[in-house]
Amino acid sequence: DADVTQTPRNRITKTGKRIMLECSQTKGHDRMYWYRQDPGLGLRLIYYSFDVKDINKGEISDGYSVSRQAQAKFSLSLESAIPNQTALYFCATSERDNTEAFFGQGTRLTVV
Amino acid sequence: QKEVEQNSGPLSVPEGAIASLNCTYSDRGSQSFFWYRQYSGKSPELIMFIYSNGDKEDGRFTAQLNKASQYVSLLIRDSQPSDSATYLCAARISGGGADGLTFGKGTHLIIQP
Repeated sequence: DADVTQTPRNRITKTGKRIMLECSQTKGHDRMYWYRQDPGLGLRLIYYSFDVKDINKGEISDGYSVSRQAQAKFSLSLESAIPNQTALYFCATSERDNTEAFFGQGTRLTVV
Repeated sequence: QKEVEQNSGPLSVPEGAIASLNCTYSDRGSQSFFWYRQYSGKSPELIMFIYSNGDKEDGRFTAQLNKASQYVSLLIRDSQPSDSATYLCAARISGGGADGLTFGKGTHLIIQP
């Protein structure tokens, strides 16, 4: 089983719908992240969390919200999905400062 | 604005040759640097990390860091077709409340059999 698990793996949704992407990890890491990846734009940070009580905006947080339900769970919500949120979304974890990030398998989201 | 720059490629290298991938970063506060490999549609996987100036070797891979020039590179020796992928360079700033990796857009590497 993967250490960082994302659900769903693929999702097609309509414009205006609310959608939640979920991430769970078994690595015991405190830090969790949500990134999106678009062709030609690379990976961009949406939100990150140091622990359950510490949530921070990343580079491109507009249109997104997050919830850290437990140390192991970090979900990303699109309150009203729009087509330019079509992308590949990755959850990641890291142990502490200056260490590498471990990525989930990704969620391919299409907003039509 | 923190930026990490990479040539998008594609970089085409014959099998068995050395592939050289380069990356520059804008923020002198960056403390640690990472190279990830990503196959199409898959998640990034860590190849190497480097914190100190100089070279760091791991098998066929060598990472090089020059903080004065704000330059990071990855060398792949004896390139194999399985090395064909997109290579992402990432930088992280230590402390100061900021976190998360800043990624370059990636270099697409093609190893020609």
